[in-house]
Amino acid sequence: QLQLQESGPGLVKPSETLSLTCTVSGGSISSSSYYWGWIRQSPGKGLEWIASIHQSGSTYTNPSLRSRVTISVDTSKNQFSLKLSSVTAADTAVYYCARLSRTSGTYNYWGQGTLVTVSS
Amino acid sequence: QSVLTQPPSVSAAPGQKVTISCSGSSSNIGNNYVSWYQQLPGTAPKLLIYEYYKRPSGTPDRFSGSTSGTSATLVITGLQTGDEADYYCGTWDSSLSAWVFGGGTKLAVL
Repeated sequence: QLQLQESGPGLVKPSETLSLTCTVSGGSISSSSYYWGWIRQSPGKGLEWIASIHQSGSTYTNPSLRSRVTISVDTSKNQFSLKLSSVTAADTAVYYCARLSRTSGTYNYWGQGTLVTVSS
Repeated sequence: QSVLTQPPSVSAAPGQKVTISCSGSSSNIGNNYVSWYQQLPGTAPKLLIYEYYKRPSGTPDRFSGSTSGTSATLVITGLQTGDEADYYCGTWDSSLSAWVFGGGTKLAVL
């Protein structure tokens, strides 16, 4: 059974860079059939897509976050990562990693999510 | 505001039927697969419906999806109290080159 697990600091200071890693188990991140993505949810709000990456390195990023987002993949570790720079309190959210099926355009597996708070 | 428009909330009594709409445009729902996600309180979203109407294993047949033009619909019949959750539609937007979600609909089973 595929599992995704987010990890990273739960507290980040304003203006610093948020860094998260998603570790994939029970399946290979190198499969060409999938993209791997980050989605966040601010407290009491809806889902916001951040970015997606393919094992080939192809990426897509939310236009509203593009200038601050870096997404990368490490196939040797079966992990992919997110960096969000110049964070503010508005970036406080639960961050989810998820697998996107290329054929169905569906996020069919999700991590449990990790809360990141931006505060001094 | 979201690219995809959902009603903020819906409600119905146990055993009844509820419909949740998701309105978009030709650059998203009109030309790309729609999926629906259920988010129970305090948990991660879970895939409920994919490719407009298909159910992954584990989704009861009380849940059904459909599409017409630039709108998608999720129908839940035989409502149960355990269905109380937030429901999100999602799809790819070809004009934005971005994945988009609806704003979410909170279902109350009264």
